[in-house]
Parts: sequence; C-alpha cells; structure tokens
Amino acid sequence: NAGVTQTPKFQVLKTGQSMTLQCAQDMNHEYMSWYRQDPGMGLRLIHYSVGAGITDQGEVPNGYNVSRSTTEDFPLRLLSAAPSQTSVYFCASARAGGAYEQYFGPGTRLTVT
Amino acid sequence: DAKTTQPTSMDCAEGRAANLPCNHSTISGNEYVYWYRQIHSQGPQYIIHGLKNNETNEMASLIITEDRKSSTLILPHATLRDTAVYYCIVRSGTGNQFYFGTGTSLTVIP
Repeated sequence: NAGVTQTPKFQVLKTGQSMTLQCAQDMNHEYMSWYRQDPGMGLRLIHYSVGAGITDQGEVPNGYNVSRSTTEDFPLRLLSAAPSQTSVYFCASARAGGAYEQYFGPGTRLTVT
Repeated sequence: DAKTTQPTSMDCAEGRAANLPCNHSTISGNEYVYWYRQIHSQGPQYIIHGLKNNETNEMASLIITEDRKSSTLILPHATLRDTAVYYCIVRSGTGNQFYFGTGTSLTVIP
C-alpha cells in the first residue's frame, strides 16, 4: 500500500493564480481531511470529508474548495492564491467510526509570492 | 470541542521515561483524548487515544485522571528518535474535527 500520497511536493504560485493540491489514499478510508501548518504552529483543519459526496468545513476554510467524487481522492483547490496561504499542506485519511487513527501524507510546501 | 494546554517544550534523558502532560479542563463526557507526534516536518503520526480508562500500546501509555481534566502521555524508554513535537487533541465522539494546537516540543538528550 502506498498509504496517503500528495502531489506536488513543492509549488510556487503568484498572487491570484489558482491550483489544485492532489491527495489520494489506497486504504479505502471513509474519512479524509486537509490541514495547513504555518511556521511554528500546529495544524489547522481546512476541510474534511466523511465519504464520497460529503464534505464539510473545518477551522480555516476560506479561500479553499474541496470535492470528494471518489473514496480515494480528495483534492484541495485554491481559488485565487494569496500570500497568506503560504504554508505546508497535509492531507490525512482514517477509517471512520473507529479510532480515527489518521494517516498523514508527506505534505505539500506552497509558497505564494 | 474542548481545547488543550501543553507545555511548550520539555527535555528528557535518553533511556528515561518521558512524561508529557496535557490539560483539557473543559472536556465533555463523550470527548476522546488523542496524542499525535510530528518528527521534523513530516506528517503527524498517531500514537494513542482514550476516553476514560488508561491505555497502553507498543508506543506509549496514556494516563487520564479520574475527573478527565488532564492526561499524561508516557514514553517508557525515550530514544533519540522520539525527539518530536507531541500534540494532545480532544475530539468529540460524534465530531469529525481535530484541533491540534501548538504541542510540546520534546528533545531527548543523549
């Protein structure tokens, strides 16, 4: 199993550009989530999903969109990038209804200039 | 969901037990306590979780006080590879959100 994969590993955007961060898992997990981590800070939840077709907002959802058309994939879209979105983005998945032991991807380091 | 308070940093001698405290004084009856850790800039790693009873697994032990207002994560024999940021998180039994906070930076000293 590859676990949770994220692409790209690094990305530089200009202000106003849009892009999609990809996240995929091969563990058939119902629960998937996106976090951002700013320097010296903990992780903050952006959006999460408890199954295909179901998404919900987390703590810091503004400026981001998500969709969940399949169990495996949970892309995160930045609509119009801003310097405040410079961060490291982590995707995670877990089996819902149990221990919610989240498995995290390696992260995407995004810089917005 | 209840929030947690942790010390910013701690040191521990290699081979000794590392005891990491967490305060969650506003925890509700159906909220679980989770511990994760993050080594360098990798994705966090699940360690353990519990509701009321003390829990133990191959990585650590979790001690929850009787009033559930605080807990302690115990790494029984710390190694250099345990140097990481440790996050204590409270999650509602019916909720789907995890609030990580800023965690405790544990340094294991040779």
